[in-house]
Amino acid sequence: QQPVQSPQAVILREGEDAVINCSSSKALYSVHWYRQKHGEAPVFLMILLKGGEQKGHDKISASFNEKKQQSSLYLTASQLSYSGTYFCGTEGSGGGADGLTFGKGTHLIIQP
Amino acid sequence: DTGVSQNPRHKITKRGQNVTFRCDPISEHNRLYWYRQTLGQGPEFLTYFQNEAQLEKSRLLSDRFSAERPKGSFSTLEIQRTEQGDSAMYLCASSFPPSAVHNEQFFGPGTRLTVL
Repeated sequence: QQPVQSPQAVILREGEDAVINCSSSKALYSVHWYRQKHGEAPVFLMILLKGGEQKGHDKISASFNEKKQQSSLYLTASQLSYSGTYFCGTEGSGGGADGLTFGKGTHLIIQP
Repeated sequence: DTGVSQNPRHKITKRGQNVTFRCDPISEHNRLYWYRQTLGQGPEFLTYFQNEAQLEKSRLLSDRFSAERPKGSFSTLEIQRTEQGDSAMYLCASSFPPSAVHNEQFFGPGTRLTVL
């Protein structure tokens, strides 16, 4: 089943923070986050595994709440380059190397 | 360039024609995935290979679609008797064999198919 992302879209001023949520109705093995700019391929950001870990690099971090089957992506002090559509992709609890099931995406617009 | 490459980047065809796309994964990645993406949607999984073996196929993959990876390196996706509903971006991704931890998938630039 397709994960649900929220919000659908968000507009920010440069330097503001954003949170993007991803929720699934099924048990998850992992959550993958990607950013896609118009006309380009999705770019891998990070992967989170069941166990409730949190990851981050630079000003982008994410968490995974295994009990709630939810993941959140945090963008702090947003930059113009952060604009794009963010997708979460999920793997079921079988784990391994399944294809990902993606949400419909969250459109992020950063204004100067 | 050592990323995933796809050819052609764009394909325009008439309804009923056959088309074939090629994907070259990152060198030494033994898992290769095909996805389809339509406007305003996330990628939808179609099928994946481990080496030359096709291990999973989505119900989205009708009988008109066939994928191969004959030598465990590049892959081809063929669509027979194309329909207007096949118009989409076809994305290929590759990954390392899964360790206990990671299965990051890296995407190619995609092939945009337009069926007239």
